Amino acid sequence: RKEVEQDPGPFNVPEGATVAFNCTYSNSASQSFFWYRQDCRKEPKLLMSVYSSGNEDGRFTAQLNRASQYISLLIRDSKLSDSATYLCVVSETTSGTYKYIFGTGTRLKVLA
Amino acid sequence: GAGVSQSPRYKVAKRGQDVALRCDPISGHVSLFWYQQALGQGPEFLTYFQNEAQLDKSGLPSDRFFAERPEGSVSTLKIQRTQQEDSAVYLCASSRTGPYGYTFGSGTRLTVV
Repeated sequence: RKEVEQDPGPFNVPEGATVAFNCTYSNSASQSFFWYRQDCRKEPKLLMSVYSSGNEDGRFTAQLNRASQYISLLIRDSKLSDSATYLCVVSETTSGTYKYIFGTGTRLKVLA
Repeated sequence: GAGVSQSPRYKVAKRGQDVALRCDPISGHVSLFWYQQALGQGPEFLTYFQNEAQLDKSGLPSDRFFAERPEGSVSTLKIQRTQQEDSAVYLCASSRTGPYGYTFGSGTRLTVV
């Protein structure tokens, strides 16, 4: 079982739709949580950090449930430019290393 | 520099050949990470440096993989006797310290034929 699990998709949604991605992680000692966005043949880029209280950045809302070890990302009013792979990331500390563990990624395609 | 720079962008190697991939982190970034990303997968951790010290190499898949950062800035990932399963994008990331502010380079796409 992978440490960070995501539905690989693809999710094909029409413009303007609301779409939600989920992610589960296995290490209860994980400390920090993020969503990264990766465009085709590009490097991952930080989309947002995820906090237990939930946080919002424009059309994007991220939520963390530590008890269930579950992270979510909600995208409202989808744009064509949101088409990308969304990577769920947890950060673990081992011997002083802050190591990022990535999920497989969820592919989103927003259709005109 | 302004970002993390990796070279070469693309590398085609014949099976059995040795390759060296270079990463120039952001100036002043203490932490440097190497990741391997196979097609359709998320990045997988390979190794981590804090300055010149390699603190974690648990993700290196075999003893054919070797990384160094001798002066605490530029890092090189070397793969000896490349195999087809080594074909992947190799990503380098750096951060000032701690778990925040990871910046990735554009990666080196290695194809072993």
